[in-house]
Amino acid sequence: DAGVIQSPRHEVTEMGQEVTLRCKPISGHNSLFWYRQTMMRGLELLIYFNNNVPIDDSGMPEDRFSAKMPNASFSTLKIQPSEPRDSAVYFCASSYLSGEAKNIQYFGAGTRLSVL
Amino acid sequence: DAKTTQPPSMDCAEGRAANLPCNHSTISGNEYVYWYRQIHSQGPQYIIHGLKNNETNEMASLIITEDRKSSTLILPHATLRDTAVYYCIVRVRGSTLGRLYFGRGTQLTVWP
Repeated sequence: DAGVIQSPRHEVTEMGQEVTLRCKPISGHNSLFWYRQTMMRGLELLIYFNNNVPIDDSGMPEDRFSAKMPNASFSTLKIQPSEPRDSAVYFCASSYLSGEAKNIQYFGAGTRLSVL
Repeated sequence: DAKTTQPPSMDCAEGRAANLPCNHSTISGNEYVYWYRQIHSQGPQYIIHGLKNNETNEMASLIITEDRKSSTLILPHATLRDTAVYYCIVRVRGSTLGRLYFGRGTQLTVWP
């Protein structure tokens, strides 16, 4: 398996523009996670899906952020409108929830977002 | 979930063992200890986990004290590629929630 695939790897946009980040989880995994990492706040969970259903979105900072998982092999994280403070590295991770293995998450390479 | 405490940084000579400590004094009996690491500009990577017995895999060994209040991740022969931030995380066994709390971790620097 190619692992968790994220696109784009880098995104530079201007304030007010819409940004869409994409993630393809590992085939067969039933859970998907979106994280954001900044120097100030470290790595924080934004939202988590299980079987394509959002389970915990308490980490989503505000209404400008939305995430969808239309099927088991694809998820998007959208920011509209984007602001400079959204600049960060966004990671997607997937896992298979079953017994002990449920907390072994496999991360993608991340998308580095810069909002000017 | 129990809180963990790790030193902010450590260093180690290449080829020597790197021993990374983690304190989790409030851990409960049903909580696992997980270790992840994050190499610069990459996503976090799972290393190992355990409940109360010592564990070993191809990457590392995990030593958990008898009272389970602390643990040590051991990289037996550190290489330059092991330079990374190492995160110790405690999670409830059998929890239906996937949430992992990544603290600040320990920045391990392996020098030649």
